[in-house]
Amino acid sequence: QQQVKQSPQSLIVQKGGISIINCAYENTAFDYFPWYQQFPGKGPALLIAIRPDVSEKKEGRFTISFNKSAKQFSLHIMDSQPGDSATYFCAARVPGSARQLTFGSGTQLTVLP
Amino acid sequence: EPEVTQTPSHQVTQMGQEVILRCVPISNHLYFYWYRQILGQKVEFLVSFYNNEISEKSEIFDDQFSVERPDGSNFTLKIRSTKLEDSAMYFCASMLLSGANVLTFGAGSRLTVL
Repeated sequence: QQQVKQSPQSLIVQKGGISIINCAYENTAFDYFPWYQQFPGKGPALLIAIRPDVSEKKEGRFTISFNKSAKQFSLHIMDSQPGDSATYFCAARVPGSARQLTFGSGTQLTVLP
Repeated sequence: EPEVTQTPSHQVTQMGQEVILRCVPISNHLYFYWYRQILGQKVEFLVSFYNNEISEKSEIFDDQFSVERPDGSNFTLKIRSTKLEDSAMYFCASMLLSGANVLTFGAGSRLTVL
């Protein structure tokens, strides 16, 4: 129940295209859903996050869509750029849990020039 | 921008040796974490630390692991007798307040056990 399932494992997109990464969860107690971006040799960095009382959040080219009834959320990267090439992790948090975040398995995004 | 600093960036050790990974969290943060990432796999929680004690630990964090905040700035992860399967990237993270949501990660320490 603590798992967050992420797909696809890898994604190749042309420059200017839309990248879509999906995550699904079972635990309805999760109350916070961040996306982290990780470049090779670096730690994960918070990209964008959403709470389950909101269906969509947009920050620049990055949008989270959240479907509470389906227990799914997704990251959309509009106008994808080669600089967006990185590994993306979705995550979820159980309120009051000291372990803070449960991560998905990651998606390696490659944006071709 | 404040950052979490980790040392060493890469350590190679022989199986059975003790390893200490060091972290300097963001100065006013109160919650500290260690996560690890085996190559190509997801980031996994190891342990959380608050008010000079462990708040929670995962099944991975067995008796071979320990954490310490020896002074006001450092936060360390010790592996007493390393095993081959301990080879991974170890990330330190810190957070200002519980529920503040923003977990800031360091760049990681890569541990290679031979």
